[in-house]
Amino acid sequence: DAKTTQPNSMESNEEEPVHLPCNHSTISGTDYIHWYRQLPSQGPEYVIHGLTSNVNNRMASLAIAEDRKSSTLILHRATLRDAAVYYCILRGYNQGGKLIFGQGTELSVKP
Amino acid sequence: GAVVSQHPSWVICKSGTSVKIECRSLDFQATTMFWYRQFPKQSLMLMATSNEGSKATYEQGVEKDKFLINHASLTLSTLTVTSAHPEDSSFYICSARPTGDPGANVLTFGAGSRLTVL
Repeated sequence: DAKTTQPNSMESNEEEPVHLPCNHSTISGTDYIHWYRQLPSQGPEYVIHGLTSNVNNRMASLAIAEDRKSSTLILHRATLRDAAVYYCILRGYNQGGKLIFGQGTELSVKP
Repeated sequence: GAVVSQHPSWVICKSGTSVKIECRSLDFQATTMFWYRQFPKQSLMLMATSNEGSKATYEQGVEKDKFLINHASLTLSTLTVTSAHPEDSSFYICSARPTGDPGANVLTFGAGSRLTVL
């Protein structure tokens, strides 16, 4: 499985944008980039995913580098409820659907 | 949206007993479900892939006789921790992928079940 590298932790101020980076230099052409987040004592929840083009949804935006070796999850206005561990995961199309989690980035949001 | 329910959300048991955790997809059918385990301050570790009507596929290092998985219907998978010991205390999380869409990209996770073995 191609691996991802994320900072262990990041801090943000409430109502400011947050850019969470992820490096995946060994990504293959069929790997999708997925982001999930896990709030304390909860199961993970889906945030966003993409293949090559930047993606937007109601939760966040995903910016993918042209060479696909890195990506950035963007939370446009952080709230206290966004404090969570954010996982960047590569998922191959023929991987059977399973997700292999790395260590993720623990995001704290200050009021 | 898709919802996955886990039960119980927490359980305390005595060492040597067995504990069953249920994972249900409430509004969709799931041929495949996944079971994860998470220790405090650590990431999720995939334990096994549960396939409806067939044997589960276990990840390397996971004892299949210790962690029994049954996926008897398209909406229910169960994980039984047999002869539980204190080191089995953990947060167990399941996830499900909708049937009929092998390329489905999004997994839905349950809220997790916290097991404490005394």
